[in-house]
Amino acid sequence: GQNIDQPTEMTATEGAIVQINCTYQTSGFNGLFWYQQHAGEAPTFLSYNVLDGLEEKGRFSSFLSRSKGYSYLLLKELQMKDSASYLCAVTDSNYQLIWGAGTKLIIKP
Amino acid sequence: NAGVTQTPKFRVLKTGQSMTLLCAQDMNHEYMYWYRQDPGMGLRLIHYSVGEGTTAKGEVPDGYNVSRLNKREFSLRLESAAPSQTSVYFCASRSAGGEIGELFFGEGSRLTVL
Repeated sequence: GQNIDQPTEMTATEGAIVQINCTYQTSGFNGLFWYQQHAGEAPTFLSYNVLDGLEEKGRFSSFLSRSKGYSYLLLKELQMKDSASYLCAVTDSNYQLIWGAGTKLIIKP
Repeated sequence: NAGVTQTPKFRVLKTGQSMTLLCAQDMNHEYMYWYRQDPGMGLRLIHYSVGEGTTAKGEVPDGYNVSRLNKREFSLRLESAAPSQTSVYFCASRSAGGEIGELFFGEGSRLTVL
């Protein structure tokens, strides 16, 4: 079956750095996406990786290793507003989007 | 710019009642989707549409019907609601020329079935 694994919850301190991991087992791979979802709100697109390596976008970076079926989202200089759930999603060989359950990130002052 | 708009945002139903969720997007997107989100689970695709007049089943289509009313609007109907359909429903859209996973979501519709 197809599966995406993320930690359920993580806690970090304001101003620090946090890495949220995502591992996937899917039938084929055509891209990996990260979304941010604040409580009670809609998911919003953060990043897209299709080739191995690091994609940087301001304080957020996303890394992909296709051979390991692994990605991480790196958040630097954490702010209280970064408290949210972070969703990992993968498109498989049929271009279907498979979603992880999300990682709830709690930022403490 | 409104983006993707869903109505209603909250609804409580009794088992067996019917209701329709409406979604409208003003971004001229071809693709539209209905997802449900439940605690501890990833978003699950109910139905989707790749263009006006077309619909297709997703991962969990049973108990739901959809209609692509025009390019802007995509409705989701529950004919006979069941407690298992208690969930948060999200509509999403994307451009045909965009990445498959780069979706624009509505604010969600929280449905409770008693």
